[in-house]
Amino acid sequence: GAVVSQHPSWVICKSGTSVKIECRSLDFQATTMFWYRQFPKQSLMLMATSNEGSKATYEQGVEKDKFLINHASLTLSTLTVTSAHPEDSSFYICSAPPGLAGGNPWETQYFGPGTRLLVL
Amino acid sequence: AQSVAQPEDQVNVAEGNPLTVKCTYSVSGNPYLFWYVQYPNRGLQFLLKYITGDNLVKGSYGFEAEFNKSQTSFHLKKPSALVSDSALYFCAVRDYTDNAGNMLTFGGGTRLMVKP
Repeated sequence: GAVVSQHPSWVICKSGTSVKIECRSLDFQATTMFWYRQFPKQSLMLMATSNEGSKATYEQGVEKDKFLINHASLTLSTLTVTSAHPEDSSFYICSAPPGLAGGNPWETQYFGPGTRLLVL
Repeated sequence: AQSVAQPEDQVNVAEGNPLTVKCTYSVSGNPYLFWYVQYPNRGLQFLLKYITGDNLVKGSYGFEAEFNKSQTSFHLKKPSALVSDSALYFCAVRDYTDNAGNMLTFGGGTRLMVKP
């Protein structure tokens, strides 16, 4: 099946630094990728939709200047947590539906393994 | 708007016994329904989905789920639980009439504990 990777899997940083997380679709092209945040023992919350060639769409309450998203190519989306603070510590997961928009290709999303961010 | 409810935070079952993890949903149109499993510090793994057709859907690792439109439910089941099934399970829904981004909405998750 389709594979989505994330890098890094773990990151620990000091407060005030910026952290970049990469999400790659390894064997398919993804015009859209989704970024989720998961707090301990909680569900996944959609943060934003990353669109190749255009601006990301952010969910209500998510600071676009805080969480910068760049969909550089059909296989890569990056999430940059700028000026990270301890409250940004979380598990960040990306996903991608294979194929192009519309119809059956949107039935299933493939999830990356997640990136755990710890801000000290 | 679409929403998903998983009423149980945790389900405990003895190995070899049948298990059920409950899920109810709400969508304005017709639903696409999914179950995912998450192991500690890992991403989500797809288990099964209902799109159309037979209400009983069979998926990975012996799991199955039954779509019940009248009760707006999509409970996950397995006839005989294994200790290795212990994990966090998420139900998700997508309203296929939603043209706003093909967004998945997740339930709060249910932790399944299978004891030997």
